[in-house]
Amino acid sequence: AQKITQTQPGMFVQEKEAVTLDCTYDTSDQSYGLFWYKQPSSGEMIFLIYQGSYDEQNATEGRYSLNFQKARKSANLVISASQLGDSAMYFCAMRGMFSGGYNKLIFGAGTRLAVHP
Amino acid sequence: AAGVIQSPRHLIKEKRETATLKCYPIPRHDTVYWYQQGPGQDPQFLISFYEKMQSDKGSIPDRFSAQQFSDYHSELNMSSLELGDSALYFCASSPSGFTDTQYFGPGTRLTVL
Repeated sequence: AQKITQTQPGMFVQEKEAVTLDCTYDTSDQSYGLFWYKQPSSGEMIFLIYQGSYDEQNATEGRYSLNFQKARKSANLVISASQLGDSAMYFCAMRGMFSGGYNKLIFGAGTRLAVHP
Repeated sequence: AAGVIQSPRHLIKEKRETATLKCYPIPRHDTVYWYQQGPGQDPQFLISFYEKMQSDKGSIPDRFSAQQFSDYHSELNMSSLELGDSALYFCASSPSGFTDTQYFGPGTRLTVL
């Protein structure tokens, strides 16, 4: 069965510094996708970044980058130059080809990030 | 850019009542997903539809049903509501394709009293 583990319930970072949010995953699929979503206190779920299991390069989207280490089954999110607006809950999620179901996303428990001025 | 639209945004119901949640996907997205997020929890997959056919089913109670219509909008029908059904219900949409990102709507916050 597929599983996502986020071991950091809460993190804080000073404004303008970089922060890494950890995510490890478990799957028997060879083909899978990894996603990060941001959920502010207002509740919406905002897509940040995607990494495919066959992608050789780490994904980047603006200030977000995904540190993908396939052998370690980790997909950590790195936020550079943190801003106050980055304060939110961050979810790591996975989509598997077979074992998890073709369509559904499986989420980790989330990490709540607080950015301090 | 157009986003996923969900209505209503907030809904208050009594126990044993019924509720209908609506979802309008991003134009040209043919796949719709429903998720339930309880207080302080991660979202849990309920059900998905591709081209108006159910494509995958998760932990959706038998009291719930859903469908996707010819215009690709989807409705989640919930009957015999229980206190434990109080949650944030997300609809997400994507183009067909395994690698395609699911884009979430703002959610419907259901409170069952």
